[in-house]
Amino acid sequence: GAVVSQHPSWVICKSGTSVKIECRSLDFQATTMFWYRQFPKQSLMLMATSNEGSKATYEQGVEKDKFLINHASLTLSTLTVTSAHPEDSSFYICSARDMPRDEQYFGPGTRLTVT
Amino acid sequence: GENVEQHPSTLSVQEGDSAVIKCTYSDSASNYFPWYKQELGKGPQLIIDIRSNVGEKKDQRIAVTLNKTAKHFSLHITETQPEDSAVYFCAASVLSSYGKLTFGQGTILTVHP
Repeated sequence: GAVVSQHPSWVICKSGTSVKIECRSLDFQATTMFWYRQFPKQSLMLMATSNEGSKATYEQGVEKDKFLINHASLTLSTLTVTSAHPEDSSFYICSARDMPRDEQYFGPGTRLTVT
Repeated sequence: GENVEQHPSTLSVQEGDSAVIKCTYSDSASNYFPWYKQELGKGPQLIIDIRSNVGEKKDQRIAVTLNKTAKHFSLHITETQPEDSAVYFCAASVLSSYGKLTFGQGTILTVHP
């Protein structure tokens, strides 16, 4: 299957600071990428849909000014958590849609801890 | 919007037994149904998928069946091994749109040696 990477794999930051997470499709181009959040022992919650060259579409209840998404190229999308607070601590996972095969592949996830 | 229900939430089997996980969906427009395996601390891994134009698909020990009329689909794992232990998620989407996936709640599968 196709490979999606995420960086960093884990990050610890202080409350009030911003954190950027990168998502890359390594061997295919992805016009659409997705960002999810997952709490322990729960399912994946879609935060936003990221389309290359256009504004992201956020799910209801997700603050777009807090979770900034940029999809600057066909292989890179970034999620910036601004003014992070302890309640933002979570496992963030991105996925990329491989259009020719219509399949969606996930990155390994980023564990964010806000102290 | 789409709603996906997944059962059971936990499943414990002996090595060599079969495991079956079932999902139902609500949106008749959904036409793509992937299954993901997630190990602790990792991202979900696509293990098999099925499109609405087929009723069954098999890949070695894994098979998925789809009943469009009843709006349910199932994952079958035969000859289970301890390394099959993980959380399994079903999902549904409409491929003609952006392909947004709606996930089930997940099933924790434990295979005892």
